[in-house]
Amino acid sequence: GIQVEQSPPDLILQEGANSTLRCNFSDSVNNLQWFHQNPWGQLINLFYIPSGTKQNGRLSATTVATERYSLLYISSSQTTDSGVYFCAVDSGANNLFFGTGTRLTVIP
Amino acid sequence: DGGITQSPKYLFRKEGQNVTLSCEQNLNHDAMYWYRQDPGQGLRLIYYSQIVNDFQKGDIAEGYSVSREKKESFPLTVTSAQKNPTAFYLCASSRDGNTEAFFGQGTRLTVV
Repeated sequence: GIQVEQSPPDLILQEGANSTLRCNFSDSVNNLQWFHQNPWGQLINLFYIPSGTKQNGRLSATTVATERYSLLYISSSQTTDSGVYFCAVDSGANNLFFGTGTRLTVIP
Repeated sequence: DGGITQSPKYLFRKEGQNVTLSCEQNLNHDAMYWYRQDPGQGLRLIYYSQIVNDFQKGDIAEGYSVSREKKESFPLTVTSAQKNPTAFYLCASSRDGNTEAFFGQGTRLTVV
């Protein structure tokens, strides 16, 4: 299966700071999603972004499919942004392969 | 409300018992999936189904079974053959298997 590497594994930010999370993947993909897992375990969809750039409020994402990476940008972070951020990719095999996540802690 | 409903939220199982986790969706999605998450890890695929009455094994299917008798339902049975069933189980669906996937709230299974 596809290998998915996320970095950094852990990130601590002061409220109001900006951050960039990275996802590298080992093969070409036709599906890439970013999720936020909240403290109760639910996976919240952030972006469906197999290529290109998208923005949603303080969050934006860019996927450069030819270079096999995606970036998630969080601006003006808030304590409610805390949690684990997962990148997941699918090459068309009907299987989303997940990275091990970036654990973000935003402190007031 | 449209979405994916998993039940129960918490489940306790005695060793040697089979248990069934429920997953229902009203999104009219064709594809449904079951994932397992262990502490500090990403998700791993157990089973998936693209259409009714058809399903395929994922990466860690041993000790699990599924059925897909209705489009909206994809129950997962954790059998006594699953050696380490304590985990967080997440169900997902997508329109056709190659589009955006959405997840339920999960079932936390503990063996006592």
